[in-house]
This record gives sequence, C-alpha cells and structure tokens, in this order.
Amino acid sequence: NAGVTQTPKFRILKIGQSMTLQCAQDMNHNYMYWYRQDPGMGLKLIYYSVGAGITDKGEVPNGYNVSRSTTEYFPLRLELAAPSQTSVYFCASSYPGEQFFGPGTRLTVL
Amino acid sequence: TQLLEQSPQFLSIQEGENLTVYCNSSSVFSSLQWYRQEPGEGPVLLVTVVTGGEVKKLKRLTFQFGDARKDSSLHITAAQPGDTGLYLCAGVPQSWGAGTKLIIKP
Repeated sequence: NAGVTQTPKFRILKIGQSMTLQCAQDMNHNYMYWYRQDPGMGLKLIYYSVGAGITDKGEVPNGYNVSRSTTEYFPLRLELAAPSQTSVYFCASSYPGEQFFGPGTRLTVL
Repeated sequence: TQLLEQSPQFLSIQEGENLTVYCNSSSVFSSLQWYRQEPGEGPVLLVTVVTGGEVKKLKRLTFQFGDARKDSSLHITAAQPGDTGLYLCAGVPQSWGAGTKLIIKP
C-alpha cells in the first residue's frame, strides 16, 4: 500500500495563478482532509470529506475549493493564489480514527 | 472551534533528561490523540486516549488523559536524540494544538 500520496512535492506560484494539489489514498478510507501548516505552527483544517460526493469547510476555507468524486481522490484547488497561501499543505485520510498523512506539498506564492 | 493549547511551545534539553508536554482545553473531547512530526514529513500517530484518567505507555513515553477529558500530558523519560520532533495533540472531533517543538541534544 502506498498510503496517502501527494503531488507535487514543491511548487512556486505567481500571485494570481491557480493550481490543483493532488491527493490520493489506497486504504479505502471514507474520511479525507486538507490541512495547511505555517512555519512553527500546528495544523489548520481547510476542507474535509466524509465520503465521495460530500465535502465541508474547515477552519480556513477561503481561497480554496475541493471535490471528491471518488473515495480515492481528494484534490485541492487554489484559485487566484495570494502570498498568504504560502504554506505546507498536508492531505490526510482516516477510517475515521487515526489520521494518515501524506508527505506534504510545499507551496510558495511570490 | 474547540481550542487546544499546548505548552511549552519549544523545549530544548540534554539527552537523558525527563520532560512533560501539556495539552489543555476548556472543552471535553471524546478522545485525544498525540502525533509526532519530523521535519519534511506528515504527522504520525503515537497514541489515542479515550477514557478519563487513562494512562498509556509507549516505551519511554507515557500519555495521560485528564479525568474530565479536557486535558492530556505526554511525559518522556530519559529523552534521546531520536525523540526530537514536533509533538501535536488532536482532540476528537477535529481540533489541533499548535504543537511543542522538542529538541534533544546529544
């Protein structure tokens, strides 16, 4: 099992550009999450999903969108990137219970 | 949003010393999890505590859930350089502490 995979690992965006962060899990978990982690800080929940076709906002959803058409994939879309979105983004999945995290995407917006 | 406060935010100690990290809230949680995160990686679950007053041990790490299920502590005995990392507590349902950055110097 690959667990939770994320692509890309690193990305630099210019202000106003858009991109999609990819996340996939092969554990057949119902729950999936997107977090951002700023330097020296904990995790802030952006969006989460309790199953295919169901998504809900977390603590910091502004500037982001998600979709969950299948159990396996949970992409995060950034529209009109801003410097405040510079962060490390983690995708996670769970049964629920223990959350399994991907390796993260380090995004810089200049 | 249920708030989890971790203390200290940063701790740097010598190998062999003992330490305790705290996770406090004014809210009750059905369970609480502790994760460790190493640089460049995602957090990894260490333990889940469910029952008020519960104590769980993982080698040199001892985790305790408060009687009222509002707080938890992590105690490390004889810390080793391999214990270095960011320790995060997470309350169920969804609430994360800001983390304790721990550095163990050889």
